[in-house]
Formats: sequence, C-alpha cells, structure tokens
Amino acid sequence: GAVVSQHPSWVICKSGTSVKIECRSLDFQATTMFWYRQFPKQSLMLMATSNEGSKATYEQGVEKDKFLINHASLTLSTLTVTSAHPEDSSFYICSALHTREREAFFGQGTRLTVV
Amino acid sequence: AQSVTQLGSHVSVSEGALVLLRCNYSSSVPPYLFWYVQYPNQGLQLLLKYTSAATLVKGINGFEAEFKKSETSFHLTKPSAHMSDAAEYFCAVSGAGSYQLTFGKGTKLSVIP
Repeated sequence: GAVVSQHPSWVICKSGTSVKIECRSLDFQATTMFWYRQFPKQSLMLMATSNEGSKATYEQGVEKDKFLINHASLTLSTLTVTSAHPEDSSFYICSALHTREREAFFGQGTRLTVV
Repeated sequence: AQSVTQLGSHVSVSEGALVLLRCNYSSSVPPYLFWYVQYPNQGLQLLLKYTSAATLVKGINGFEAEFKKSETSFHLTKPSAHMSDAAEYFCAVSGAGSYQLTFGKGTKLSVIP
C-alpha cells in the first residue's frame, strides 16, 4: 500500500509555544488530507479536511486559529498547534487520500505532550 | 450523516478461538465500510473495506467481514486468533465517494495464551 509519513512521532513542548506536525504522502499525490485527534483509549475525532491549494475545512468545535492547517503541495500538509496548552496534549493522526485506490492511508501519528 | 456503533469496548478470546468484533452502522446514503487496526502509539492500518461490491470481504491477516444491509451490520471475524492480533480495532463508515471517515469508539482485542 501507499506510504504516509508523519513527523515527528512524538514531541514535548512548553505551554505557550507552537508545534508543527508534518504529514507527507511519500509515493502518491494527495489532493486531500485529513487530520484527526485521538484521546487516550478513545476513537479518532476528525478535526479538519485539508485540500491542496485551498483553505482547510474544520469540523464544528475545532478552533481554526488554534490548529492551523496548511496544504501547500500535493504531498505535504502541516498542522500547527499554536500557543499550546496542556489540554492540547493528545495523539494526532493524519491520513492522505489516494483517489485512484479510493482509500485514505494513515500516518503513524504524533504524540504531543504540552508541559 | 453516518455513525458507527461498535458493541463491546473490550473483547477477550483465547488463542486459536474465533474472533468476532461487532459493528453496526447508520447511513443516509449507500455506505462504504472499513475496519482498521491500531497498535499502541501507531497509526491505523486498513484490514479490509466494503465499497458496494461483494458483500463478503476478505482482508489481510486472515480477517473477513460481511456486509448485511438488512441488519446494518459489518462484523469482523477471524477463525483463529493469534497473539499478534491483540490490538485496537476500529470500524468506520463513509458515504459512497466521500472518503471522510466516521469512526466507532473502537474495540480492544485481547488474546489469551
């Protein structure tokens, strides 16, 4: 299957700082990527849909100014958690849509801990 | 709108026993259905998917699932559990052609030696 690389796999940052998470489709172009958040022992919650060259579509209740999404190329989407606080600590997972295979491939996730 | 209900947040089976993980869906449009597996601190790996072709879908690692429209179900089965099957399993639904997934709450599978 296709490969999606997410970086970093884990990060610890201080409260008030910003953290950028990258999601790359390594062997295919992805017009659409998705960002999810997963709390411990819970399901994945869709945060936003990222479309190359246009603004992301955020789900209800997700703060656009808090979670900045950029999809500047067909192989890269980034999620920046701005002014992070301990409550932002979570597992963030991206997926990239492979339209020809009609399947979304997932990155390995990023464990964010804000101290 | 779509939703998924996974019955049982935790299922334990003995090694070699049948694995049955239940998933019921609700969808206002013809659904696509998926089963994913997640190992600790990792992303999701697709086990199998139903996209309106054959109702019995075979996936990787010996798993299969049957789409039953009359029961709005898509249960995941495996005839004989292996220790390596211990993980979290998520059922997900999307509208046909949508690709935006709605996940169930997950079922943690434990395999007892």
